[in-house]
Amino acid sequence: NAGVTQTPKFQVLKTGQSMTLQCAQDMNHEYMSWYRQDPGMGLRLIHYSVGAGITDQGEVPNGYNVSRSTTEDFPLRLLSAAPSQTSVYFCASRDLQGAGELFFGEGSRLTVL
Amino acid sequence: GNSVTQMEGPVTLSEEAFLTINCTYTATGYPSLFWYVQYPGEGLQLLLKATKADDKGSNKGFEATYRKETTSFHLEKGSVQVSDSAVYFCALSDNYGQNFVFGPGTRLSVLP
Repeated sequence: NAGVTQTPKFQVLKTGQSMTLQCAQDMNHEYMSWYRQDPGMGLRLIHYSVGAGITDQGEVPNGYNVSRSTTEDFPLRLLSAAPSQTSVYFCASRDLQGAGELFFGEGSRLTVL
Repeated sequence: GNSVTQMEGPVTLSEEAFLTINCTYTATGYPSLFWYVQYPGEGLQLLLKATKADDKGSNKGFEATYRKETTSFHLEKGSVQVSDSAVYFCALSDNYGQNFVFGPGTRLSVLP
């Protein structure tokens, strides 16, 4: 069972560069989301989606774009990376029926120089 | 809005000690409550959950009881092991929205 798969696991960027963090889930979950985890800040929601073609902003959306063209995939795009975006990023998904738990990927560590 | 408060860490215990990590919440309605664990270098994993008042979630020797009267969901384990060293997150999901709200996390270190 693959669950939630994130790539890449590590990435170093220069300020101003762009990149996409990939996220895929094989559980047919309607809901997918991206969090960032920073020391002392816990987990903060960036963007989320409740189905293909539907996305919405979370707590810290600035500097990030998302799209949801399929149920399985939810990529996170950084259009012009800044040092403040140095963080560990987690993708997560859940079934919206009942008290569905959130399933997390293993994380992507991004460093912006 | 919804929020989760956890005791500040880090918590350092000796092996076989008793563990309590306090968690309280603010939410409308009747949220579901969760404890997640994050081992070094890994993503978060569900440890246990409870979906209604007085429910007790349990897993791997950890327990937590959903107390609506005190809006709490404290995590306990009777005898911790070195392998329990990790960061523990309390979280809630309300029945109206889709999103989870996480506490700041509590780092636990267990010494042999």
